[in-house]
Amino acid sequence: DAKTTQPPSMDCAEGRAANLPCNHSTISGNEYVYWYRQIHSQGPQYIIHGLKNNETNEMASLIITEDRKSSTLILPHATLRDTAVYYCIVRVPMANTDKLIFGTGTRLQVFP
Amino acid sequence: KAGVTQTPRYLIKTRGQQVTLSCSPISGHRSVSWYQQTPGQGLQFLFEYFSETQRNKGNFPGRFSGRQFSNSRSEMNVSTLELGDSALYLCASSFGYNTEAFFGQGTRLTVV
Repeated sequence: DAKTTQPPSMDCAEGRAANLPCNHSTISGNEYVYWYRQIHSQGPQYIIHGLKNNETNEMASLIITEDRKSSTLILPHATLRDTAVYYCIVRVPMANTDKLIFGTGTRLQVFP
Repeated sequence: KAGVTQTPRYLIKTRGQQVTLSCSPISGHRSVSWYQQTPGQGLQFLFEYFSETQRNKGNFPGRFSGRQFSNSRSEMNVSTLELGDSALYLCASSFGYNTEAFFGQGTRLTVV
């Protein structure tokens, strides 16, 4: 079962920051937080991942709380093309698997 | 470089038939995973291959099988198709050591 809880849906105005929360209260010390998104009927797209420090790349920023029980994915300037389902996944770094366990995700709707 | 390629993109089969789906991973990636996505169950892990060996399997019946070739290309097979097998089948590839996975566009299978 997925170890994360996300709101089922969120709205965001185009050009504004989209802040997508994720709760992972049972996360273990060596588990990473990964974010993927899936635009309608396409394959999921990797966005970002982190362990305990905040991370930023060209797509987004990931803020992980100090206790690591929750995190927030930030899309700094949302566009219509960011409308998608966003999945937050926790993964233990094991050498013998790259398996991902997806939850139900958050459907982000960016409106003009 | 080229992404993950899945063929065919769309497929219609009749109940009782069998089907083979193909996945060509990103060059250099040794791990290939397969997922099934349906509206009711979401994204579910099917199985994972690394260096031609299946190293993880999800909770699916034996009608679902797969294999990986020496060039890392993978195929999955579903025998005795049922209506409930209608789904988007996604393939993901990675280097294989807890690295981010990259997904293909999927094969949409419809069983009639």
